[in-house]
Amino acid sequence: NAGVTQTPKFQVLKTGQSMTLQCAQDMNHNSMYWYRQDPGMGLRLIYYSASEGTTDKGEVPNGYNVSRLNKREFSLRLESAAPSQTSVYFCASSERQGGNTIYFGEGSWLTVV
Amino acid sequence: AQSVTQLDSHVSVSEGTPVLLRCNYSSSYSPSLFWYVQHPNKGLQLLLKYTSAATLVKGINGFEAEFKKSETSFHLTKPSAHMSDAAEYFCVVRIEYRDDKIIFGKGTRLHILP
Repeated sequence: NAGVTQTPKFQVLKTGQSMTLQCAQDMNHNSMYWYRQDPGMGLRLIYYSASEGTTDKGEVPNGYNVSRLNKREFSLRLESAAPSQTSVYFCASSERQGGNTIYFGEGSWLTVV
Repeated sequence: AQSVTQLDSHVSVSEGTPVLLRCNYSSSYSPSLFWYVQHPNKGLQLLLKYTSAATLVKGINGFEAEFKKSETSFHLTKPSAHMSDAAEYFCVVRIEYRDDKIIFGKGTRLHILP
């Protein structure tokens, strides 16, 4: 049972380059999320999707776009990477009932130079 | 808008003494609340969750938390700290109304002194 799978695990980008972080879950969850984790800031919500075909901005959406390609997949795109986007990115998914456990991917370490 | 505040960025306790990590939340709707733990260079692990059933929630590794609606708090406690408890702890609020937003606190780093 794979759970939540993120790719790539590590990436180094040059300022201005674009890239897409991929996330897929095999638990048939409706809700999916992208977070970034920075020291002292906890996990900050970038974008989320409560169901296939819908996406919403979170706390720090600037500089990012997302696509909920289907129920399984939720990708995060950096159109023009900036050093401030150096971070660890986590994808998460959950069934849409308040008490259900939130499952996380292993994280993607992104460095923008 | 919902928010969650962890009142201490760092907490230090001696091994064998009680642990208290404080969390306050703000929400216009009934929330679900969670505590997650992250050990150094590891992923996120669920400790416990509150889902409008019992207000005192027991989790793994001897942790528990009490939901107090009047104080909008969900503090995490453990009677006796162990060295292996050293980690970062996150309080999480979830509001399912209309959308399904999940917000993390900034985290509390727990240090265990020998």
